[in-house]
Amino acid sequence: DAGVTQSPTHLIKTRGQQVTLRCSPKSGHDTVSWYQQALGQGPQFIFQYYEEEERQRGNFPDRFSGHQFPNYSSELNVNALLLGDSALYLCASSITNEQFFGPGTRLTVL
Amino acid sequence: GIQVEQSPPDLILQEGANSTLRCNFSDSVNNLQWFHQNPWGQLINLFYIPSGTKQNGRLSATTVATERYSLLYISSSQTTDSGVYFCALFSGGYNKLIFGAGTRLAVHP
Repeated sequence: DAGVTQSPTHLIKTRGQQVTLRCSPKSGHDTVSWYQQALGQGPQFIFQYYEEEERQRGNFPDRFSGHQFPNYSSELNVNALLLGDSALYLCASSITNEQFFGPGTRLTVL
Repeated sequence: GIQVEQSPPDLILQEGANSTLRCNFSDSVNNLQWFHQNPWGQLINLFYIPSGTKQNGRLSATTVATERYSLLYISSSQTTDSGVYFCALFSGGYNKLIFGAGTRLAVHP
């Protein structure tokens, strides 16, 4: 049983560019949540997708957007990258309350 | 919104020692999870424990929902237990996890 997978593992971008991160949920899970973890801090909720719609959103600007596909996989898009967007981006999947996390994508913005 | 406080922020142990990590929260909970984040950033599920007590090997956890705290016990610590331990929860109609700041544990041989 495959767990949550994310791609790519690492990514380096420059300010102003756009990035797309991908997540495949654990088998049987229908809900995907995205979190941003800055260095030395706990993860912060970005948004959650269920039935291909954004169900809930954290305190992040509109530069952060997402999508969920019919197979429940999801993408996180960030436009107009800022230096402060450098972080570990974590995807979590769930079908009940318990959430399971992927290995993360480490984004560096130069 | 709900507040999550973890203590201690940092902990240094000798291999074989026992420890207790604490998580205090400000509201009733629907979901409380403990995670171990390894040096590569992977969050590993330890316990899903909105109430009661659970044990898994050398680790156990207790959540007293009425008093709004949860405890994670690590017995006979090993160097592989090093990393950051997070408590995370959500309450009410919201199912976004709110994380504490974590406890950074270093176990020395």
